[in-house]
This record gives sequence, structure tokens and C-alpha cells, in this order.
Amino acid sequence: QVHLVESGGGVVQPGRSLRLTCAGSGITFNTFAIHWVRQPPGKGLEWVSVISYDGSNKFYADSVKGRFTVSRDNSKNTLYLQINRLRTDDTAVYYCAGNDSLSFWGQGVLVTVSS
Amino acid sequence: QSVLTQPPSVSAAPGQTVTISCAGDSSNVGSLFVSWYQQVPGTAPKLLIYDNNRRPSGIPDRFSGSKSGTSATLVITGLQAGDEADYYCGTWDFNLSDGVFGGGTKLTVL
Repeated sequence: QVHLVESGGGVVQPGRSLRLTCAGSGITFNTFAIHWVRQPPGKGLEWVSVISYDGSNKFYADSVKGRFTVSRDNSKNTLYLQINRLRTDDTAVYYCAGNDSLSFWGQGVLVTVSS
Repeated sequence: QSVLTQPPSVSAAPGQTVTISCAGDSSNVGSLFVSWYQQVPGTAPKLLIYDNNRRPSGIPDRFSGSKSGTSATLVITGLQAGDEADYYCGTWDFNLSDGVFGGGTKLTVL
């Protein structure tokens, strides 16, 4: 049974920072890539970032490049998304999803950027 | 504007068949595997099809996928009320070095 749980969301003012966490259980965490995908309210899915199984390769969507940083600690079965200089258009539910086909997803965490 | 193009909505009666298209180009759909996801509003997406036409364990064979050139297709047969959801195609784009999704298709079961 594969299980991913996101945390760290909330209401944040524009320009501030936030760190999201994705905790994995029931899986061999260090054997697959993990993606971050977000969904603004009422809109479709938007791919954000991916980190390889060992953390050596990372890719970001242009809309977040330079502001978002993905990292992972396989010893803790945990993935992180550091979000800096938050903007109102970063408001979304953020999901972590595992392996290249996005076979398993967390429940999502809401980030609201508002003054 | 999504990199992959899907129809915004489709509809059909229970028991009928619907198809949802996903159009891309040679840097994404044309070269790489496509996945399909089902999302019931308020819940996380769920993988329906991967590697163009493979179903994860537990996905009924009413759901099938195919790909031809730079387009992929999801087919749902024997429609049920519980199939009402949003459906997304997704893949990687090697020119962008990004994951890409379609804009989503809302399925209504009449």
C-alpha cells in the first residue's frame, strides 16, 4: 500500500515563504522520482517540479523557476518544496505524486496567497 | 494555455461509449508515453492509464487508451454515473524538460 501525505499549507502573504512536505510510507521511497503538481481553484492540473529518486536531478516549470526548490531526504522518506517570494497566482492545491507515471498521489494541501 | 489539447467537455448516456482526445506534438505525445488521470471534484487525481494503454491494478477494462502519432485517446465503454469526473492526459516534454498536462475534459453522464 502506497501512501503520500502533504503538509505545510496555509494562508500566506505575497512575498513570503512556505515549505511544503510530502511524507511517504508503505513504499521504498528512494527508488522513484516524485513530482509536485498544483491545481488552482476551479482550474486544471499544472506540473510544477520533479526530483529524481536520489535527488541528483531536478526540473522546474518556468513559472516557478528561481522561486521554488525541491529536495528530498530519503532517510526520512520525505520530500520538500521550498516556495519563496510567493505570488497570488501560486494559490492552489499542491499534490506530490510518485513515479514517472504519477501512479500514486497525496491528498493535496491548499496554499492560499493573500494579503 | 495547456501544451496538450483536450476537448473541454464530453457527455453521453449510461451504457454508451465516450472518447477523449489528447493532442500534442513530436516533443511530447509523439515520442513519449502518455498517462490518463481521473479526478472527481474535491479529490486527488487517480491514474487510469499509463504507458499509453496499460491499466493499473484495479482499473476496470472499460477504460482503455491508445496513441497514434501525436495524439492519444481515452475510451470509456459502458458508461456509469460514477464515471462523471474530470479527465486529464499527461506526459513529459523533452524540449521543455517539463511535465505537461492537457487542460482537462469534464465528462457528464446524462
